[in-house]
Amino acid sequence: AQSVTQLGSHVSVSEGALVLLRCNYSSSVPPYLFWYVQYPNQGLQLLLKYTTGATLVKGINGFEAEFKKSETSFHLTKPSAHMSDAAEYFCAVRLNTNAGKSTFGDGTTLTVKP
Amino acid sequence: DTAVSQTPKYLVTQMGNDKSIKCEQNLGHDTMYWYKQDSKKFLKIMFSYNNKELIINETVPNRFSPKSPDKAHLNLHINSLELGDSAVYFCASSKVNNEKLFFGSGTQLSVL
Repeated sequence: AQSVTQLGSHVSVSEGALVLLRCNYSSSVPPYLFWYVQYPNQGLQLLLKYTTGATLVKGINGFEAEFKKSETSFHLTKPSAHMSDAAEYFCAVRLNTNAGKSTFGDGTTLTVKP
Repeated sequence: DTAVSQTPKYLVTQMGNDKSIKCEQNLGHDTMYWYKQDSKKFLKIMFSYNNKELIINETVPNRFSPKSPDKAHLNLHINSLELGDSAVYFCASSKVNNEKLFFGSGTQLSVL
């Protein structure tokens, strides 16, 4: 079984400020971890993923995340927020099984202030 | 060249009606899914099909019946629609053993 907790349903930052979106997971086996972004009235798009190997993962649009097994965390960061980053962000965990289901966190709404 | 396409984009209907949502993917993926996103944006898996076989059924009322005529298509039929069925329904696909999900743009279902 697996679960995902996103701390903070709403995060607001100023343009140019650091973005930090928190995600903690629970999994009985080593998981695959993902961050997806959803812009208004659109489907989800993959930002980045961790499967194995390097624990610091770089994704699109300047985002990155670090897998910390000891903390069961996979927080998403971006050094400098842009207005276009305003969206809904979802952390997800998936077990390494055939057709394994992805379990999503409840989402974090990121607002970027000018 | 939309990778995962679903139709219709919007669906407004009365309680008690039966409706279908269609989904097609041109990525050659073996696995397709239906997710439901409620008004609070919580995203929950409903069904998963792998090569036309049902793999995951997440305690969804049997008014919801997925149908996969081939591995590129996964349709969702809903009988006797209820107010609580109002949500955005997303189709997605992935390769077996490949973890990334590709999502369609969603179908906004409103039951009046």
